[in-house]
Amino acid sequence: GENVEQHPSTLSVQEGDSAVIKCTYSDSASNYFPWYKQELGKRPQLIIDIRSNVGEKKDQRIAVTLNKTAKHFSLHITETQPEDSAVYFCAASIQAAGNKLTFGGGTRVLVKP
Amino acid sequence: DTGVSQNPRHKITKRGQNVTFRCDPISEHNRLYWYRQTLGQGPEFLTYFQNEAQLEKSRLLSDRFSAERPKGSFSTLEIQRTEQGDSAMYLCASSLGGFDEKLFFGSGTQLSVL
Repeated sequence: GENVEQHPSTLSVQEGDSAVIKCTYSDSASNYFPWYKQELGKRPQLIIDIRSNVGEKKDQRIAVTLNKTAKHFSLHITETQPEDSAVYFCAASIQAAGNKLTFGGGTRVLVKP
Repeated sequence: DTGVSQNPRHKITKRGQNVTFRCDPISEHNRLYWYRQTLGQGPEFLTYFQNEAQLEKSRLLSDRFSAERPKGSFSTLEIQRTEQGDSAMYLCASSLGGFDEKLFFGSGTQLSVL
């Protein structure tokens, strides 16, 4: 089955700096890669996603890149703000096979004011 | 609130007891997923439904676990003879299915087995 590795496990950045989280996946058939943000005690919230027919996608301060050949994808957060502090999860799935997400282990991001 | 709703938010039970959780998906979402999340880990897939049909179950879902979605709307997850290792957050998610499918999660039920 699919295996998703996520790095780093913790990330501390100064407010205004950029944060980058990297994930690798094992199943070359995976074609959908969402990112979720989870604040303490709250539900995972979808913040951005990308499909395998696209190499990059951007939404305001958040961007995701995908390298299908290397089987890795990354989340970039620019101009970080204290409210960006949370745990971020990457995930991968095969959309035609029920879209069952396999999650990475998470990255705890702390933005210091 | 039109998001995914889960009840109860917290459940404390003694080992050996049965527990049942409920999930109400976003209206018109035909797919419903159950995940389990332990502290410091990402959610792990348990099972999912397309309307009322349970299409797949993870090997993580032992015989003590059963899920239903009788009318293709809300779903229940029952754990029989709970064990301490069942302590976790149980998350439900729903989606419209189709090509542009996005999963939306509920806030989960935190289970503590004493």
